[in-house]
Amino acid sequence: KQEVTQIPAALSVPEGENLVLNCSFTDSAIYNLQWFRQDPGKGLTSLLLIQSSQREQTSGRLNASLDKSSGRSTLYIAASQPGDSATYLCAVPSSTGNQFYFGTGTSLTVIP
Amino acid sequence: EPEVTQTPSHQVTQMGQEVILRCVPISNHLYFYWYRQILGQKVEFLVSFYNNEISEKSEIFDDQFSVERPDGSNFTLKIRSTKLEDSAMYFCASRRRESQETQYFGPGTRLLVL
Repeated sequence: KQEVTQIPAALSVPEGENLVLNCSFTDSAIYNLQWFRQDPGKGLTSLLLIQSSQREQTSGRLNASLDKSSGRSTLYIAASQPGDSATYLCAVPSSTGNQFYFGTGTSLTVIP
Repeated sequence: EPEVTQTPSHQVTQMGQEVILRCVPISNHLYFYWYRQILGQKVEFLVSFYNNEISEKSEIFDDQFSVERPDGSNFTLKIRSTKLEDSAMYFCASRRRESQETQYFGPGTRLLVL
């Protein structure tokens, strides 16, 4: 069964700092990997989807990388802002594509 | 922009009662999902649904759970006899076509079983 791990569990940074969130997965045979944002008590907002054939995906200040062979992905956030404070989740699909396995998330606090 | 909607946003029920959680997926999507998140824990897959039948389900999705697409727009999750441990946030998601595409999640229903 796929296991997804995220480190660190929590991160607190001053505004303006660049930061990296890490995600690792045990089974490298994945179609894609997705990063989500979750605000407290809210739903999941998709940030970036990286296909297995891609190594990077960018959206604004966010850049996600994928290294399938080592079972790792990183989410880079540039010039962090207080509005970036949230929990960030990574998820990978099962071999059938019918379910997602989620990590436990990284809780990010950006201090003004 | 189209979005997945869920009702109710919050539900409180007594142990042993039946609850139905409702979802309206994005209109041209073909694949539908339910997930749950117990407070402080991971988001966990419950069930996937395609072409009017369950395509995959997890160990959590036992006989107390059922899903239905009663019409062309709604997708429901029923819990027949709720238990205290069913208290969680329940998320509905939908996807347009193939597994390479993203899943879009609804805002969730927070269920509290007393």
